[in-house]
Amino acid sequence: SQKIEQNSEALNIQEGKTATLTCNYTNYSPAYLQWYRQDPGRGPVFLLLIRENEKEKRKERLKVTFDTTLKQSLFHITASQPADSATYLCALDRADKLIFGTGTRLQVFP
Amino acid sequence: KAGVTQTPRYLIKTRGQQVTLSCSPISGHRSVSWYQQTPGQGLQFLFEYFSETQRNKGNFPGRFSGRQFSNSRSEMNVSTLELGDSALYLCASTSQTGGQETQYFGPGTRLLVL
Repeated sequence: SQKIEQNSEALNIQEGKTATLTCNYTNYSPAYLQWYRQDPGRGPVFLLLIRENEKEKRKERLKVTFDTTLKQSLFHITASQPADSATYLCALDRADKLIFGTGTRLQVFP
Repeated sequence: KAGVTQTPRYLIKTRGQQVTLSCSPISGHRSVSWYQQTPGQGLQFLFEYFSETQRNKGNFPGRFSGRQFSNSRSEMNVSTLELGDSALYLCASTSQTGGQETQYFGPGTRLLVL
């Protein structure tokens, strides 16, 4: 069955460093993959979408890569700030619906 | 444009009761999806409605149901509540661009079943 795994439950990094979050999937080849940010007590907020034929996409300090051979997406936040602390979810399309990973909690400390 | 709104924001019920949650999508969005989020299972898809018809359904028991009205507003109902139904229920409206869909989530309804 379809499975999405995101690396570790929590990632702690120092302000100014680059945070790298991983999303691995199995048993499927999605046409696109999305990343969302979720703050405590709030709904997820869309950040980036990357298509299967795109290797990399950037938006300000965010960068997403998509390796369909490895079945993996990497999400990078450069020059991280304490305000980037949140849970980050990846999602991929599957049979006309989005399937979400369980998320990685990122904590950026000063 | 106003975002997705959900009411109520918080709800406390007891086992065996039923509950109805409401969602108003972004104006112009015709698709509404519902998700259940718990610490252990993450975000799990419940169902999707488009133009008043259920278009997709997740693996939840029949106690979970929904509907969509002609103005695209949607409700979901959970009957015979169980303790395990305690969760954050999220509604999302969808925009379609170039064959890819992007979901815009509401703030959620936090349901506690005692």
